[in-house]
Parts: sequence; structure tokens; C-alpha cells
Amino acid sequence: QVQLVQSGAEVKKPGSSVKVSCKASGGPFRSSGFSWVRQAPGQGLEWIGRIIPILGGPNYAQKFHGRVTVNAVKSTTTVYMELTSLKSEDTAVYFCARDGGVGGAAIDSWGQGTLVTVAS
Amino acid sequence: QSVLTQPPSTSGTPGQTVTISCSGSGSNIGSNTVNWYQQLPGTAPKLLIYTNYQRPSGVPDRFSGSKSGTSASLAISGLQSEDEADYHCAAWDDSLFGWVFGGGTKLTVL
Repeated sequence: QVQLVQSGAEVKKPGSSVKVSCKASGGPFRSSGFSWVRQAPGQGLEWIGRIIPILGGPNYAQKFHGRVTVNAVKSTTTVYMELTSLKSEDTAVYFCARDGGVGGAAIDSWGQGTLVTVAS
Repeated sequence: QSVLTQPPSTSGTPGQTVTISCSGSGSNIGSNTVNWYQQLPGTAPKLLIYTNYQRPSGVPDRFSGSKSGTSASLAISGLQSEDEADYHCAAWDDSLFGWVFGGGTKLTVL
């Protein structure tokens, strides 16, 4: 099973950006799908975007288009998510999650989560 | 507003069977398989059921899943105190080209 280890908690000011990393090990990297999913306090899970490293181009939820960038560095098996123009409503735990890639039926591994707090 | 619809909460006593529903549409549950996740407080979700009814190794057979049309269900039999957690359904959405989730159901074991 793939292990996913994320970077640490962040505190950001409104209008700034945050970049969260996710280091994958123990399984296929290039052919896997890596998603970013967030969970605001007391809320459900919300999908942000996904990348399959071997294919390159990520896809994003419409809600985040223009504000989010997801990329993968194959040499270090690390996936990144950058979110810009932060608002207080972006305060959430951000999870990195892995699925089987093209045709993958389920997200089967999750990172430990990264708390991003947006406050002035 | 989540794309998939779950009841916000449910409860049961030890030994009982509880069922959690998940309703979607033709572009997600109607076209693709459903997965269920268990999330204990302060932790990441854990895969509980995949492709509608299959259990990863280590998941007790007290947990079972089913799907019909654009809806799915998770059943937990022989309820135990350690089952108290949030449960989330998920499916791939062909229109949104991404994963969609339910809002989560908080299970309380009385």
C-alpha cells in the first residue's frame, strides 16, 4: 500500500498563498492518481483536484479553477498543491489521497492531513 | 452542499444493525462504483468498502455495502462502541471528471 506523508500545518493571512506537499512511497507513483481533498471544520470531504503523473495535465473542481495548481515531481515521488488568494473559508484540513489512476475504482490511501488556517 | 446525499447522523445500540444511505445521480453512482470511508475523530479517512461491496483486508465482515441504481447503502451489523465514527460515501463523477463525496454521517453508539 502506498504511504503518503504531508508537510506540516500552515497559518496564512487572507490573500496569500499556501503550498502543501505529499511524499509518496511504497507503491506505484507514475500511474497512480493523486487527489487533494479538503475538510473544513465539522464539514464533509470536498475534492479539489487530481493528477496522474504519467499523464501530466491535472484536472480541478470548477470551484477552485484559477486558484489551485496541482503538480507532481516524478524524481522525488512528491505531489504538490498550491492554493492562492486565500480566504477565511479556506481554513481546513487538506488531505492528499491516492487512487489507481486511469480506471482506478477507489481512493485507497490517504495522507495524514495538513491543517491550513487562514486568519488575519 | 455535497454532490452525494447522506443523512447527517444515525445511532444504534451495541449489537444492533444500522444502515447508512447515499444518494447520487446518473453521472456518479449511476455510472460508477461506490466506496465508503470510516473517519475516526482527528484522523484521515480509511477505506472501508470499495467497488460497492468489497472489503479491503482487515475490515470485519460486519461491514457490508450495496448499490442499486443511483443509491448505495452501508450496513454495519453487530454494532460495537469502536464503530463510533463519521462515514463518507464517494464515487467518481463522469460529468465533473472528479471524485464526489457525501456530506458524511456521524454514527453514535448509544
